[in-house]
Amino acid sequence: GEDVEQSLFLSVREGDSSVINCTYTDSSSTYLYWYKQEPGAGLQLLTYIFSNMDMKQDQRLTVLLNKKDKHLSLRIADTQTGDSAIYFCAETLRSNDYKLSFGAGTTVTVRA
Amino acid sequence: GAGVSQSPRYKVTKRGQDVALRCDPISGHVSLYWYRQALGQGPEFLTYFNYEAQQDKSGLPNDRFSAERPEGSISTLTIQRTEQRDSAMYRCASSGQGGQPQHFGDGTRLSIL
Repeated sequence: GEDVEQSLFLSVREGDSSVINCTYTDSSSTYLYWYKQEPGAGLQLLTYIFSNMDMKQDQRLTVLLNKKDKHLSLRIADTQTGDSAIYFCAETLRSNDYKLSFGAGTTVTVRA
Repeated sequence: GAGVSQSPRYKVTKRGQDVALRCDPISGHVSLYWYRQALGQGPEFLTYFNYEAQQDKSGLPNDRFSAERPEGSISTLTIQRTEQRDSAMYRCASSGQGGQPQHFGDGTRLSIL
């Protein structure tokens, strides 16, 4: 987890956009992932981006990748109460592309 | 079922006992992974199978931990002589092939008294 860093908490008003940020250190990343963990539930794969892409959009989710700064972000449009969860950023490397390295997670709280 | 199934969901046992955690991957997924997640942290890699072959066990903390997947489907993670520090959430994931996106089960929360 030390190679992937995330801010720990984010509070957002319902209806606003959320932006969750992640930085990684290894330039040999292959894929970068966002997972969502709700209380009592498993890790849900939200989206992922190949390291040679800059952006990926999937409904309310937009992933931006800045390879120069090794910065990944997840934007959630029109945030809803059901979006309250812990969001994990993760990467795989070319050297072992099966091994996910996770950040510590960002707890997102959506307030009415 | 459609997703990765893990059992038991919760396991409480006394220090020194052996425990076996089970993972049933998504049907057709040839790759299976075990991770361990401490409270307030992200999951950490333990081991990886491709079919029945254990390809990487570098994340297993010590020799009390072992895993098998004898028929290339269901996998068991075994911890012998459990210690309090083994308490954590143990997560299993599967994918179509190594390197493809991994889908996780709900995990087994292990508590060692």
